[in-house]
Amino acid sequence: NAGVTQTPKFQVLKTGQSMTLQCAQDMNHNSMYWYRQDPGMGLRLIYYSASEGTTDKGEVPNGYNVSRLNKREFSLRLESAAPSQTSVYFCASSDRDRVFQEQFFGPGTRLTVL
Amino acid sequence: AQTVTQSQPEMSVQEAETVTLSCTYDTSESNYYLFWYKQPPSRQMILVIRQEAYKQQNATENRFSVNFQKAAKSFSLKISDSQLGDTAMYFCAFMKHANDEKLTFGTGTRLTIIP
Repeated sequence: NAGVTQTPKFQVLKTGQSMTLQCAQDMNHNSMYWYRQDPGMGLRLIYYSASEGTTDKGEVPNGYNVSRLNKREFSLRLESAAPSQTSVYFCASSDRDRVFQEQFFGPGTRLTVL
Repeated sequence: AQTVTQSQPEMSVQEAETVTLSCTYDTSESNYYLFWYKQPPSRQMILVIRQEAYKQQNATENRFSVNFQKAAKSFSLKISDSQLGDTAMYFCAFMKHANDEKLTFGTGTRLTIIP
């Protein structure tokens, strides 16, 4: 089991460029999440998806779009990158059919917007 | 909205000693879940320990234990016999209830174990 995988690991963009962060999980989990981590601020939820075909906004959704392509994959898109989106992005997944929903995290993507 | 506060940005302790990391939270919920996550230099987030609010007994996982004080809204992590591999950022996190699916994180405590 690879768990939760993310691509790319690092990315540098110029202001205004677009890109998509990819996330996949092989644990047959229903729920998937995107977080961003900024220095001194902990992790903040951007978007989440409770099941294939559904997505909901989290705490900081502005400037992002998501797609739950299928049960395994959940992508995060920046349409027009801004320096304020420089951050480390984490994808996570959990099994909402369990009584207790531990979230499993990917290794993160470090994004720099110049 | 829930808030999670970690008031110790950095801590250090000698190897083999015991260290306690603090976490307080604010909520009006009665049944909720609390977590401690570890983030080593590799950046991978790893669940260390969890506590269900309806359980009075403090959770324990090997060298890691919590002191859960529901009335005081406090959830501290104790690491006994600390090891060099415990060096990491530690995040306290809150989940409103089992179906809420959203974690609220504190700002983290950077723990360094000194050889």
